[in-house]
Amino acid sequence: EIVMTQSPATLSVSPGERATLSCRASQSVSSSLAWYQQRPGQAPRLLIYGASARATGIPGRFSGSGSGTEFTLTISSLQSEDSAVYYCQQYNNWPPTWTFGQGTKVEIK
Amino acid sequence: EVQLVESGGGLVQPGGSLRLSCEASGFTFSSYEMNWVRQAPGKGLEWVSYISSSGSTKYYVDSVKGRFTISRDNAKNSLYLQMNSLRAEDTAVYYCASPPSKTGRWGQGTLVTVSS
Repeated sequence: EIVMTQSPATLSVSPGERATLSCRASQSVSSSLAWYQQRPGQAPRLLIYGASARATGIPGRFSGSGSGTEFTLTISSLQSEDSAVYYCQQYNNWPPTWTFGQGTKVEIK
Repeated sequence: EVQLVESGGGLVQPGGSLRLSCEASGFTFSSYEMNWVRQAPGKGLEWVSYISSSGSTKYYVDSVKGRFTISRDNAKNSLYLQMNSLRAEDTAVYYCASPPSKTGRWGQGTLVTVSS
């Protein structure tokens, strides 16, 4: 089973500053890596797929990078509405199972 | 617009059964693999089950094997999760989700509470 580890657990950032979230896989997942945003009381929303491609409607301040086992989600200029928990997800081709990181909570200072 | 709408959640006693449904619209449902993911109260996300676009291939997380069954009806643009022998630890919001892609979507979720 592929284990996904996110860091830090909590990130406190001032509005307009950059936020950098990390995700590590226990073995290579190539570029089969997605990032989700979950605001309180809402369903997760897909931000990034294929490690670096933005999903439809996602603002350009969200970007993803990495491949293999190390991945990063960057929010270039934090807005108040970006306060949420962010999850990384690997979606291995075969078997077609998903595993998620434990989440990083982004707080606005 | 791509949309997924779950239904069927509720309160059930331990050992009971529920059938969740997910109705899809705005995309060619029959072309997509689909998944169920759950989230226990205050916890993270846990993948539950996968079904291929034709319905011929299915996978489950170990904790639900033999108790849950995923299925789909492409003519009705619908995904299902039959949950039997429910346990307290199955209490969660259940989401249906399409694979990560440019138009990847999750439904709003349906709450399943297993309690006496």
